[in-house]
Amino acid sequence: AQSVTQPDIHITVSEGASLELRCNYSYGATPYLFWYVQSPGQGLQLLLKYFSGDTLVQGIKGFEAEFKRSQSSFNLRKPSVHWSDAAEYFCAVGARAGNMLTFGGGTRLMVKP
Amino acid sequence: GAGVSQSPSNKVTEKGKDVELRCDPISGHTALYWYRQRLGQGLEFLIYFQGNSAPDKSGLPSDRFSAERTGESVSTLTIQRTQQEDSAVYLCASSLQGGTRLVEQYFGPGTRLTVT
Repeated sequence: AQSVTQPDIHITVSEGASLELRCNYSYGATPYLFWYVQSPGQGLQLLLKYFSGDTLVQGIKGFEAEFKRSQSSFNLRKPSVHWSDAAEYFCAVGARAGNMLTFGGGTRLMVKP
Repeated sequence: GAGVSQSPSNKVTEKGKDVELRCDPISGHTALYWYRQRLGQGLEFLIYFQGNSAPDKSGLPSDRFSAERTGESVSTLTIQRTQQEDSAVYLCASSLQGGTRLVEQYFGPGTRLTVT
């Protein structure tokens, strides 16, 4: 069975600082990997996805993530955080032959002015 | 185009009552999913519909939970005899079928269920 771990429950960064949110997964083969963002009272919005190919993927809102097979990781990064990035971020894994997504517990990002 | 919509956005019910939650997927999306998100936690898969295939009910937590889907359109999630532990946000998602598109899911805003 697949699983996803987001080790950091809360992260606080200053506006303009760089950001890295960690995600580790457990899956027997190369999975599909996703990052979603959830703003208060909103549904989940897809930030970026990895299916195959280039291990560095670019997403919306200036986010990127890197798939590292050797570390079973798919960390999310942004070079300069904006106050509007404050939200909860979820990493998810999908099986290539399956259907549903398995989500991590989420990381709540707070941005200091 | 229109995204996934869910209704109601909020539902407060008394313990023991039945509730129905509705999801309208993106037009043309053949796959539909229900997830539950308890306070401060990630999403838990509940059930998956794909076209005319039998639904994958493997995530339903008890027989009090059921869901239906009419063709490739609206779905309703029903919780009978609600319990306080059913309090959560229920999220619906839809996707196209075929290859990687099956897994790329688009989420609705959710229904926040509070059982008192």
